[in-house]
Amino acid sequence: DAGVIQSPRHEVTEMGQEVTLRCKPISGHDYLFWYRQTMMRGLELLIYFNNNVPIDDSGMPEDRFSAKMPNASFSTLKIQPSEPRDSAVYFCASTITENYGYTFGSGTRLTVV
Amino acid sequence: SQQGEEDPQALSIQEGENATMNCSYKTSINNLQWYRQNSGRGLVHLILIRSNEREKHSGRLRVTLDTSKKSSSLLITASRAADTASYFCATDANNAGNMLTFGGGTRLMVKP
Repeated sequence: DAGVIQSPRHEVTEMGQEVTLRCKPISGHDYLFWYRQTMMRGLELLIYFNNNVPIDDSGMPEDRFSAKMPNASFSTLKIQPSEPRDSAVYFCASTITENYGYTFGSGTRLTVV
Repeated sequence: SQQGEEDPQALSIQEGENATMNCSYKTSINNLQWYRQNSGRGLVHLILIRSNEREKHSGRLRVTLDTSKKSSSLLITASRAADTASYFCATDANNAGNMLTFGGGTRLMVKP
């Protein structure tokens, strides 16, 4: 397995633009997590899914953020409109119920200018 | 909010020395995990210790857990320059399903 795959690796966008981050979890994993990492706030859980269903989205900063998981092999995190304070590294991770260790993707470094 | 807090925030040692990092958390947990993050990369799972376990080993890694003190330590023995990274503890709280909360991390530098 190629691991958790995120795209793009880097994204630079202008304030007000829509940004879509993508994640492909490991096949067979039934949990998917979106985290955001910044120097100031560390790693923050934004939302997680179990069997494609959103379970807890209390970490989503505001209505500008939305996440979907249309099937077991794909998830998106969308920011619309983007703001400079959204600049961070966004990680996707997946795991299987019986194994609590997460596998992380390489992250998407988002810069909003 | 961060469930786990690592101590120290930064640690610098010479190659061959042992490195000890500590983690404290606030609520009851199912398990505690340690992860490593190299600069510019994603986190890598190192080891998991369950709440009914007190010590666990994996290669040069030794993890202890004291649930009465709500604390854990990660010991890396005979450190190498390649161990230079940030290390995070993460907790799976009792009523949080499979959701992990991460601490702020310890930045370890191992000088050759």
